[in-house]
Amino acid sequence: DGGITQSPKYLFRKEGQNVTLSCEQNLNHDAMYWYRQDPGQGLRLIYYSQIVNDFQKGDIAEGYSVSREKKESFPLTVTSAQKNPTAFYLCASSIGGNSYERYFGPGTRLTVT
Amino acid sequence: AQSVTQPDIHITVSEGASLELRCNYSYGATPYLFWYVQSPGQGLQLLLKYFSGDTLVQGIKGFEAEFKRSQSSFNLRKPSVHWSDAAEYFCAVYGQNFVFGPGTRLSVLP
Repeated sequence: DGGITQSPKYLFRKEGQNVTLSCEQNLNHDAMYWYRQDPGQGLRLIYYSQIVNDFQKGDIAEGYSVSREKKESFPLTVTSAQKNPTAFYLCASSIGGNSYERYFGPGTRLTVT
Repeated sequence: AQSVTQPDIHITVSEGASLELRCNYSYGATPYLFWYVQSPGQGLQLLLKYFSGDTLVQGIKGFEAEFKRSQSSFNLRKPSVHWSDAAEYFCAVYGQNFVFGPGTRLSVLP
């Protein structure tokens, strides 16, 4: 079955450490996205990539970094510069550009203490 | 700039009752419209979408939505709610950008 996988489901880190969240898709989608979800704030776009080796900042990119070396993979690094990293992180993909519906992975809950 | 609102933060209905979740958007033309559902601790699942044509759209899990241009609305409906429908529901709009609404949490009473 095609889909998006995110690992791990739960992640715990100490403050000051960088952490990388994995996102893999086998849908052959061109575009991939990272969203952050906090209670009562809906989904906010962190980064997106429409083709390999290219990505753009979303609305809340500060303290995050990404890479897109392969079509299937779009890892997100939460750096120590992110002031409030504890959140639920969702990876998504779409067939083409920005107008197409997103398909979501199951999410990773990151807790930083 | 475009925007999307979901006026109801939390709705509670009894099992078997009908459901309508509201979504309003602000955009100068007809946008693409979507409804997603999210169970606790899970990702979002697409329920249905509207691009053009028939303004009444059928989706999965027995949901439907109606696009009303005059009201800038895309409300989600279900004639009879099941306990498993308890979840968070997000409306999304693509005009210039893809924007999600803040969500409506649905609780279902037995």
